[in-house]
Amino acid sequence: SQTIHQWPATLVQPVGSPLSLECTVEGTSNPNLYWYRQAAGRGLQLLFYSVGIGQISSEVPQNLSASRPQDRQFILSSKKLLLSDSGFYLCAWSYPGQLSSPLHFGNGTRLTVT
Amino acid sequence: TQLLEQSPQFLSIQEGENLTVYCNSSSVFSSLQWYRQEPGEGPVLLVTVVTGGEVKKLKRLTFQFGDARKDSSLHITAAQPGDTGLYLCAGPTTGTASKLTFGTGTRLQVTL
Repeated sequence: SQTIHQWPATLVQPVGSPLSLECTVEGTSNPNLYWYRQAAGRGLQLLFYSVGIGQISSEVPQNLSASRPQDRQFILSSKKLLLSDSGFYLCAWSYPGQLSSPLHFGNGTRLTVT
Repeated sequence: TQLLEQSPQFLSIQEGENLTVYCNSSSVFSSLQWYRQEPGEGPVLLVTVVTGGEVKKLKRLTFQFGDARKDSSLHITAAQPGDTGLYLCAGPTTGTASKLTFGTGTRLQVTL
């Protein structure tokens, strides 16, 4: 069966510090991978998605970047965090090329920038 | 830009009551998905509706896709505390098989 691991679960970082959130998927090959951010109790904002190694699409210009160094590894980074980067970050995967393919989410990372 | 507006934004009811959550758009979607998210966790898929007018049932939850495929509803019968969570609808973004547009979310709280 497929599993998705996302860590850390919580993170408190000072303004101006770097960020690295990691997500890995097991049990499937060449998945589509996604990073979402969620404001408290609201819908999901797509930040980045990837359909293959080294292929990253950015949805929202901002202080963040993403990389996919391996087929089932997706990393969200920042060189210098801003207060506005605080939020709940979710990684997800889906089967490639299927129009109705649902997303399978990790348990998220709660990031607080102080 | 495709938008999915959900209503109500927040709903607090007592155990045993019925409720309906709506997901509306001015755009046509090829399908719509419904997710439930509990605090501190990622959303989990409940159902996918594909055909206009389609009705799907999942125990006490009934999902309907509008005839014109621009809207969907989720009806819960005899709500229980375990139904508490954030309900999200989502549909494929036009022109891509890779992205979903998510709704604004409905937070449901069911109390004893």
